[in-house]
Amino acid sequence: DAGVIQSPRHEVTEMGQEVTLRCKPISGHDYLFWYRQTMMRGLELLIYFNNNVPIDDSGMPEDRFSAKMPNASFSTLKIQPSEPRDSAVYFCASRVRQGAEAFFGQGTRLTVV
Amino acid sequence: AQSVTQLGSHVSVSEGALVLLRCNYSSSVPPYLFWYVQYPNQGLQLLLKYTSAATLVKGINGFEAEFKKSETSFHLTKPSAHMRDAAEYFCAVTGVSGGYNKLIFGAGTRLAVHP
Repeated sequence: DAGVIQSPRHEVTEMGQEVTLRCKPISGHDYLFWYRQTMMRGLELLIYFNNNVPIDDSGMPEDRFSAKMPNASFSTLKIQPSEPRDSAVYFCASRVRQGAEAFFGQGTRLTVV
Repeated sequence: AQSVTQLGSHVSVSEGALVLLRCNYSSSVPPYLFWYVQYPNQGLQLLLKYTSAATLVKGINGFEAEFKKSETSFHLTKPSAHMRDAAEYFCAVTGVSGGYNKLIFGAGTRLAVHP
């Protein structure tokens, strides 16, 4: 398996634009996590899915953020409208079952200017 | 609820010296614990994991960690540091029963290794 695949690796956008981050988890993994990493706040859990169903989105900072998992092999994290304070590295991770280790993608570095 | 506290945001050691990175956890259910390493501009990579079997866990790159329930700790050690160990290290906790499915990370410890 190629591991968790995220796209794009880098995204630069203007304030107010819509941004969509994409993730392909490892095949057969039942859990998918979205994290945001910044210098100030570290690694924050935004939302996670189990069997494509969102279980806990309490980490999503605002209504501008939304996430979907239409099938077991694809998830998106959307920010609309984007703001400069959304600039961060966004990671997607997947794991096979409860309690197992998570495997991380390479991340998407988002810069909102 | 679950949480992780990593003591020391920055640790600096000499090459060849002992590495000790501290992690304390809080969990309402028996925890599974992990250490991850992050090199610059990369994702997180698993170093080792505790899953209620042996309390002393050996991982990659010569690292090991010991689970101590009485101290709620899971400290990471390596007998002799190498320059290539310079990176950021994260401790994480998850539950294995009930609704404790989140994977929660500590704030991270940046390890510097100097000659």
